[in-house]
Amino acid sequence: ELKVEQNPLFLSMQEGKNYTIYCNYSTTSDRLYWYRQDPGKSLESLFVLLSNGAVKQEGRLMASLDTKARLSTLHITAAVHDLSATYFCAVDYSGGGADGLTFGKGTHLIIQP
Amino acid sequence: DTGVSQDPRHKITKRGQNVTFRCDPISEHNRLYWYRQTLGQGPEFLTYFQNEAQLEKSRLLSDRFSAERPKGSFSTLEIQRTEQGDSAMYLCASSSTTGFYEQYFGPGTRLTVT
Repeated sequence: ELKVEQNPLFLSMQEGKNYTIYCNYSTTSDRLYWYRQDPGKSLESLFVLLSNGAVKQEGRLMASLDTKARLSTLHITAAVHDLSATYFCAVDYSGGGADGLTFGKGTHLIIQP
Repeated sequence: DTGVSQDPRHKITKRGQNVTFRCDPISEHNRLYWYRQTLGQGPEFLTYFQNEAQLEKSRLLSDRFSAERPKGSFSTLEIQRTEQGDSAMYLCASSSTTGFYEQYFGPGTRLTVT
């Protein structure tokens, strides 16, 4: 069974702190995506990670991929309130989108002033 | 390019009624996907099209669900004889078959079955 597990599922943190969200997946894949979802809204693409060792950064967010460990991380540096949202990782097991994406349950992130 | 659009944004229907949703993908994208998302969960894949061909269907797509993409542009998702368990957000996404295969999502249609 294709599984994607995110940890933690809920995270409350203070502004200015650093934290990491983890995404483990069950079967080999070299294509992983991170999305952000605000309440009642659709998904916004954040990062596309395509190979082992890939690292992408945008502002205070940095994502990495270790295909051997089947692990991706989303690191938040010096968090600000605007980053409060639900973050999903999603795996493309087919390698080309042919079977859709398999999503984790999401990490609900609250950043408090 | 205005992105992926979906219509309606909200739909309330009574159990047993049929409903139809529409999705307009990004114009140059030849792949179109449907997902369903329930509260507190990640989206679940339902089906996808490449041009007008429906190439994959999830086991989640029961016989009451049907999707079409007649001219390879917009797509419709119909649910017949709706049940309360069909209440969810229905998301459409599109992608190209070049580059990263990155899927861009529409705003979704929130279905409530009473």
